[in-house]
Amino acid sequence: QKEVEQNSGPLSVPEGAIASLNCTYSDRGSQSFFWYRQYSGKSPELIMSIYSNGDKEDGRFTAQLNKASQYVSLLIRDSQPSDSATYLCAVNNQAGTALIFGKGTTLSVSS
Amino acid sequence: NAGVMQNPRHLVRRRGQEARLRCSPMKGHSHVYWYRQLPEEGLKFMVYLQKENIIDESGMPKERFSAEFPKEGPSILRIQQVVRGDSAAYFCASSEDRDQPQHFGDGTRLSIL
Repeated sequence: QKEVEQNSGPLSVPEGAIASLNCTYSDRGSQSFFWYRQYSGKSPELIMSIYSNGDKEDGRFTAQLNKASQYVSLLIRDSQPSDSATYLCAVNNQAGTALIFGKGTTLSVSS
Repeated sequence: NAGVMQNPRHLVRRRGQEARLRCSPMKGHSHVYWYRQLPEEGLKFMVYLQKENIIDESGMPKERFSAEFPKEGPSILRIQQVVRGDSAAYFCASSEDRDQPQHFGDGTRLSIL
């Protein structure tokens, strides 16, 4: 059974701090990795995709991938109360036909 | 609106009835995926379709559930003889190609009385 593991949280950070979210996956054949944000009662919103080892930056977000360790992370700089949401790590299966999601980490940013 | 369109947003059915959920992909996308999110659980893959073809249905329950994506019109997820355990949020996503980022619709919240 292919799995994606995340700490459920809640992760609480003060406004302006860096939030660090982590994810591990079991399928070594996975090649595509994604972070989604989901507000309560809403649909997942894609915020980052990463395909190769290293860092990828987009605004306040940085995704990090280490395929050898089967580890993906998301850093959110200058966290804002509006970043308070559940963050879902998703990994493509080897065939590229399905996303396998973690259960999500709940982030709470206090002002 | 060029996003993934799902309807209805909310659907109430009695046990034993049929539920039909519809999804129109983003413009330019021909790959459609259905996911289910049960209360307090993660998103689970159900089925992946391209126009007129089911590519991967490994996450779909063997009975009562079916999906199609006809040449014309939206993708349909059909649940026959619904039971209380079918109550969930059903999300459709689309992508430009296999293994490309998937973009989600607003979902259909299905409630079974």
